[in-house]
Parts: sequence; C-alpha cells; structure tokens
Amino acid sequence: GNSVTQMEGPVTLSEEAFLTINCTYTATGYPSLFWYVQYPGEGLQLLLKATKADDKGSNKGFEATYRKETTSFHLEKGSVQVSDSAVYFCALSAFSGGYNKLIFGAGTRLAVHP
Amino acid sequence: DTGVSQDPRHKITKRGQNVTFRCDPISEHNRLYWYRQTLGQGPEFLTYFQNEAQLEKSRLLSDRFSAERPKGSFSTLEIQRTEQGDSAMYLCASSPTGGSLRGSTDTQYFGPGTRLTVL
Repeated sequence: GNSVTQMEGPVTLSEEAFLTINCTYTATGYPSLFWYVQYPGEGLQLLLKATKADDKGSNKGFEATYRKETTSFHLEKGSVQVSDSAVYFCALSAFSGGYNKLIFGAGTRLAVHP
Repeated sequence: DTGVSQDPRHKITKRGQNVTFRCDPISEHNRLYWYRQTLGQGPEFLTYFQNEAQLEKSRLLSDRFSAERPKGSFSTLEIQRTEQGDSAMYLCASSPTGGSLRGSTDTQYFGPGTRLTVL
C-alpha cells in the first residue's frame, strides 16, 4: 500500500543553520509529492510540491527533489529563521477511484531559536 | 477569495453529546475532503465528496459519523454520541477538478480546522 515515513522530531536548530527533514515513501504508480507546514493552532498550508521524478519543488527558500530511485522527497533550507518553527508534513497523492487521496507522514516538529 | 473556512474553530463538548462542524470550500472547487488529525500525528483521510456525491468513506468513519454536502457547496460533518476518543482536529480541504485559476487539480487546499475536545 501507500505510505510516507518522516524523520522523527523535534529538530532543534539555531537561526541561519541548514535544515534537512528526511521523507521516504512507498507507493504504487507515480504519485505527486507534497510538503505541508502547520503553524501552532492552524491548519495545513501547502509549502511545495513535485509531480514527477526529478522535479524540484521550491518556495520561501525551501526545496525538495522528487527522487524516484531512492523513493525520497527530502526537505531542505539553506538558512532557517525563527519564523520557520512549525510542524512539517510530507505527503503523497495517490490517484484512486477518480480522485487524489493524500497520505501523510507523522510530521516533524522544527524549533528554531535565535 | 478567502480560502477554505471552517466553523467553529474550537468545540468543547461532553461525552454523549452530538456535534456538527461546517466547511466552506474555495468557490468552484468541486472536490471536498475531510481529514482527522490526532495529537502528534499526520492527518488521516475520512471522506470525499465530488459535488454533492459522497464517493468514499474511510473505515475510520464509524456509524456515529455522518457527512453531507447537500448542494455541492458547503459540507457538514456530524458526530453523534461523542466519545473521548473523538477528540481531534477535524480538517477540511478542497480542490478543483478541471483546469482552474483557483488552483491545481492535484493539490488540496486546507482550512484552519475545528479542534474538538470531548470531556
């Protein structure tokens, strides 16, 4: 079946540090891959996405590359800010029954301190 | 366009009571989804609507749960005889079906969620 595995958190970094959050997936077919971010007390916001192998999604300094050979979609940012503190969810979109169902990882909490 | 909205944002209820949540999707989005998120976990799919038709229900959706989308616009999720295990964040999302200026067909846009606490 389809599943997503993320590295466990929390991840604690100093401001301006480099960020990597690992995400691997298992899927039949060719899913689209997503990173969503959730700030405290809020819903999920789409951060970036990639729809096919070797695509790179990017937004607000965050990047992730769809690697089919390693079934991975790791999230990276070169220099984090305190405002990036949130929970990050990796997800895949599996097309089934005429629509796309999102399968999420458990989330990785990021805490950035000054 | 203000995005997906949900009401209420927070609900505290006693065990055994019924609760109803509302979701207003982005206008012209035909597809609507409900998810449940428990503490420390990612969202889990509950149900899906294409216009007013409910096309899939997860096994997570017991008989105490019912969802409707009567005119293909807003949707409601009702939980009858709530239990403490129902405490969670209930998220609604929508997406368009065809080419649309209101988003990509493979992307779901989420509302802020309704946090339910059952005492």
